[in-house]
Amino acid sequence: DVKVTQSSRYLVKRTGEKVFLECVQDMDHENMFWYRQDPGLGLRLIYFSYDVKMKEKGDIPEGYSVSREKKERFSLILESASTNQTSMYLCASSFLVSTDTQYFGPGTRLTVL
Amino acid sequence: AQSVAQPEDQVNVAEGNPLTVKCTYSVSGNPYLFWYVQYPNRGLQFLLKYITGDNLVKGSYGFEAEFNKSQTSFHLKKPSALVSDSALYFCAVRDYGGSQGNLIFGKGTKLSVKP
Repeated sequence: DVKVTQSSRYLVKRTGEKVFLECVQDMDHENMFWYRQDPGLGLRLIYFSYDVKMKEKGDIPEGYSVSREKKERFSLILESASTNQTSMYLCASSFLVSTDTQYFGPGTRLTVL
Repeated sequence: AQSVAQPEDQVNVAEGNPLTVKCTYSVSGNPYLFWYVQYPNRGLQFLLKYITGDNLVKGSYGFEAEFNKSQTSFHLKKPSALVSDSALYFCAVRDYGGSQGNLIFGKGTKLSVKP
């Protein structure tokens, strides 16, 4: 079974803190993705990566950065957390083919106070 | 522009009745379509996908979806709903504007199955 794990299920941070969310996949997938999910807005793509050290902006990259130093690990960084970044964050991975399925981690519910 | 729409925010069904969750799409190339389910406080689980071939696609947990090219639809169906099917359902389409593997997701439809 494909396994995508995320470092925390729940996280509470304060405004201005630097926040790291980590994602690890064990299927040797080339693609990895970070989404945020908000009620009524569905899933919105923040960043994705199709190879080690490669990254591309998604639809809503402002206020976020990412790091992919190893193929299996993709980190999302909130440089200075703000209350409007309170959300559910979902990581996903897939092979680098257009028909492949994305597999999701359990999600991290981040609250910024 | 590519897009996917789920016209119903919520669908209510009685247990044992058939259910349909609707999805329509707009793409510039071949439509690769996906359905995912999300249970409360969980990540998304893959249900099924249409790439090519038979218009009726069978997936996990007894779900199936019918691809209709003329109506640009990919509705999710199940002949007999269970209370445990209550969850949030997302339709997604391959994004031809982005890199390979990117998906565009609908806003989700909450399915509520009552006993």
